[in-house]
Amino acid sequence: GIQVEQSPPDLILQEGANSTLRCNFSDSVNNLQWFHQNPWGQLINLFYIPSGTKQNGRLSATTVATERYSLLYISSSQTTDSGVYFCAVERGYNQGGKLIFGQGTELSVKP
Amino acid sequence: ETGVTQTPRHLVMGMTNKKSLKCEQHLGHNAMYWYKQSAKKPLELMFVYNFKEQTENNSVPSRFSPECPNSSHLFLHLHTLQPEDSALYLCASSQEYRAYEQYFGPGTRLTVT
Repeated sequence: GIQVEQSPPDLILQEGANSTLRCNFSDSVNNLQWFHQNPWGQLINLFYIPSGTKQNGRLSATTVATERYSLLYISSSQTTDSGVYFCAVERGYNQGGKLIFGQGTELSVKP
Repeated sequence: ETGVTQTPRHLVMGMTNKKSLKCEQHLGHNAMYWYKQSAKKPLELMFVYNFKEQTENNSVPSRFSPECPNSSHLFLHLHTLQPEDSALYLCASSQEYRAYEQYFGPGTRLTVT
């Protein structure tokens, strides 16, 4: 099956710093989503981005589908950004609905 | 209520009990999903329903029994669970079941004693 690898596994930042999270996947995909899981377990949708670039406030994401990777940029980080960031992909049109999650990047933002 | 809701939020059950998890989506979507997240692990897909029909069973043990009476409601019936089934169970929905953005509920944290 498709492999999804996220890096780094852990990241500690000082408030105000910028960071880049990476997601590599091993096959072509029809769907790629970035999520933030808060300490209570809620998965918050950040981006639906099978290709291209999107921005939402301090967050932006880029997916280069031909090279099979996606990047999530966090600028001017805040303590509320802490949590686990997951990349998830859906492979191929006949693999409908099956999101495969990476292992996540655990981010801790210190005041 | 908006988005995807799940009840109960926390559940403790013995190995001989029978319980059910409920999920409801208020987004007008046609596809619904159950995922399992064990401690320190990524989410794993369990079941997919599209227009009330099951389209995916990801080799889930029969002690987990899903039910989808309509496109807005999804249940997960639990019986004779094992301690290793303790996990966060998350429900999601999407407009259709292929290549559409999935939205998640807050999850049910299950502990099997």
